[in-house]
Amino acid sequence: GAVVSQHPSRVICKSGTSVKIECRSLDFQATTMFWYRQFPKQSLMLMATSNEGSKATYEQGVEKDKFLINHASLTLSTLTVTSAHPEDSSFYICSARVVSLRDTEAFFGQGTRLTVV
Amino acid sequence: AQSVSQHNHHVILSEAASLELGCNYSYGGTVNLFWYVQYPGQHLQLLLKYFSGDPLVKGIKGFEAEFIKSKFSFNLRKPSVQWSDTAEYFCAVTMWGFQKLVFGTGTRLLVSP
Repeated sequence: GAVVSQHPSRVICKSGTSVKIECRSLDFQATTMFWYRQFPKQSLMLMATSNEGSKATYEQGVEKDKFLINHASLTLSTLTVTSAHPEDSSFYICSARVVSLRDTEAFFGQGTRLTVV
Repeated sequence: AQSVSQHNHHVILSEAASLELGCNYSYGGTVNLFWYVQYPGQHLQLLLKYFSGDPLVKGIKGFEAEFIKSKFSFNLRKPSVQWSDTAEYFCAVTMWGFQKLVFGTGTRLLVSP
């Protein structure tokens, strides 16, 4: 299947700093990527839908100015957590969908464990 | 709002036992249904999916799931589990025409040898 690479896998940052997470589709072009957040023992919650060349679509309750998403190319989307606080500590996962006329499937990155101290 | 429910949060089984994990969704229209698995330390992987046709879907590693439209359910089954099936399992739904996946809360399966 298609490969989605997410980097870094783990990051620790100080409160008030910003962290950038990259999501790359390695062997296909992804016009749309998705960013999820997973809290311990909870499900994946969709944060935003990232569209190549246009503004991201954020889910209700997600702060646009705090979670900046850029999808500058067909193979790269970035999520920047700005002015991070301890409550932003979480597991962030990106996903890209491959869509054809008959099928669609989502492929996931390995996730990024963010710890804000 | 659309939602997906997984009623079993933790399941503990012995090897060779049969497995059934429940998944129900709330949406009246056409849906696409998925089961994903997340092995310890690894990323989410697709087990199986249903789009249309035969409601009994067979996936990888001996897993299968049955879509029962009248019950809004898509339960995951495996006749005989192995220790290597220890993982977290997520049911997910996408409403036809929409791209985003809505996930259930996940079921953590522990298979003891």
